[in-house]
Amino acid sequence: EVQLLESGGGLVQPGGSLRLSCAASRFTFSDYTMRWVRQAPGKGLEWVSSISGGGGSTYYADSVKGRFTISRDNSKNTLFLQMNSLRAEDTAVYYCTKALNSYFEYWGQGTLVTVSS
Amino acid sequence: QSALTQPASVSGSPGQSITISCTGTSSDFGTGNFVSWYQQHPGKAPKFMIYEVSRRPSGVSNRFSGSKSGNTASLTISGLQAEDEADYYCCSYTGSNTHVFGTGTKVTVV
Repeated sequence: EVQLLESGGGLVQPGGSLRLSCAASRFTFSDYTMRWVRQAPGKGLEWVSSISGGGGSTYYADSVKGRFTISRDNSKNTLFLQMNSLRAEDTAVYYCTKALNSYFEYWGQGTLVTVSS
Repeated sequence: QSALTQPASVSGSPGQSITISCTGTSSDFGTGNFVSWYQQHPGKAPKFMIYEVSRRPSGVSNRFSGSKSGNTASLTISGLQAEDEADYYCCSYTGSNTHVFGTGTKVTVV
């Protein structure tokens, strides 16, 4: 079965940066769009960003546009999310997801990002 | 982009059927039937349950069904079981490679 393993979460001060990683396995990584979804504590799900299989197309929610950058290394089957200028409202569990067309087919277990001084 | 509107909670007894609504605008649902539903148990990652409004991925029980009318999508759980107690989220592809989730519904089996 598909495996997605996020890492890189932690505590960061407002205005700081963090880079999340997602190691993918058991599917042909480069064939699929990948996406990040986040969930603030006790809140609902929010789509954050998407990247095409080849990495040439990227998309962002308005709430993170200009601050977050999604990328991928298909040689290492790894997805990234570079998060800059972090705010308290970015505090959330960040999930890496494998896309099935317009859907979120498989989800990782998530990594917690806490933005606080 | 505002979240799609779902009831905060829905409850039912074992064996009963319940329906969760998911309401948005015409722009939220775009021009296609790109609605999906996700189940999330406490402390766990969401699970893909329904796509294209009413299709079930392999392995998902046929007790789960989806529909859509106008700007409201619905998820029905029939033959409610204790293991169905979870949070449920709808999601729509809005076009232009953006997605919007619903506010989430807590299902309680009483």
